[in-house]
Amino acid sequence: NAGVTQTPKFQVLKTGQSMTLQCAQDMNHEYMSWYRQDPGMGLRLIHYSVGAGITDQGEVPNGYNVSRSTTEDFPLRLLSAAPSQTSVYFCASSYSRSLNEQFFGPGTRLTVL
Amino acid sequence: AQTVTQSQPEMSVQEAETVTLSCTYDTSENNYYLFWYKQPPSRQMILVIRQEAYKQQNATENRFSVNFQKAAKSFSLKISDSQLGDTAMYFCAFYQPGTYKYIFGTGTRLKVLA
Repeated sequence: NAGVTQTPKFQVLKTGQSMTLQCAQDMNHEYMSWYRQDPGMGLRLIHYSVGAGITDQGEVPNGYNVSRSTTEDFPLRLLSAAPSQTSVYFCASSYSRSLNEQFFGPGTRLTVL
Repeated sequence: AQTVTQSQPEMSVQEAETVTLSCTYDTSENNYYLFWYKQPPSRQMILVIRQEAYKQQNATENRFSVNFQKAAKSFSLKISDSQLGDTAMYFCAFYQPGTYKYIFGTGTRLKVLA
C-alpha cells in the first residue's frame, strides 16, 4: 500500500493563480481531510469528507474548495491564491468508524508570491 | 468549543534522559480521544500514542507513556531514554467521536542533544 499520497511536494504560485493539490489514498478509508500547518498555529482543519459525495467545512475553509467523487481521491482547490495561503498542506485519511487514528500524507509546501 | 493548549514551544533534553511534554485541553464532553503526533524534520506526521478518555489506565508505547488526568484535563507525554531520533515537533490532539474534527495544539519542538 502506498498509504496517503500528495502531489506536488512543493509549489510556488503568483497571487490570483489557481491550482489543485492532489490527495489519494489506497486504504479504502471513508474519511479524508485537509489541514494547513502554519508556524505557531499547529494544524487547522480546512475541509473534510466522510465519504464519496459528502464534504463539509472545517475551521478555515475560506478560499478553498473540495470535492469527493471517489473514495480514493480528495483534491483541494485554491481558486485565487493569496499570500495568506502560503503554508504547508496535509491530507489525512482514516476509517470513519474508528476515527481514532488518522494517516497523513507527506505534505505540500505552497508559497504564494 | 474544544481547545488544546501546549504551553512549551521548545524543549531540549540530553540523550538517554527523560523529558515530559505538557498538554491541556478544554471540553465538556465525557467521551473523546487524545493523541500525541510526532513530526520529524521530514515533515511526515506519525502517531506516537493515543488515549481513550473512558480508560483510566495510562497508555504506553515502548519508551513513550502518557499521564492522563481527566479531571484536570491534562495529557502529558513522557519520553524515556531519549534518542537523537526523537528530535521532532510534537503535537497534542483531541477528537470527539461524531464531530469528524481533530483539534491540534500548537506543538512543542523537542531537541535531543548528544
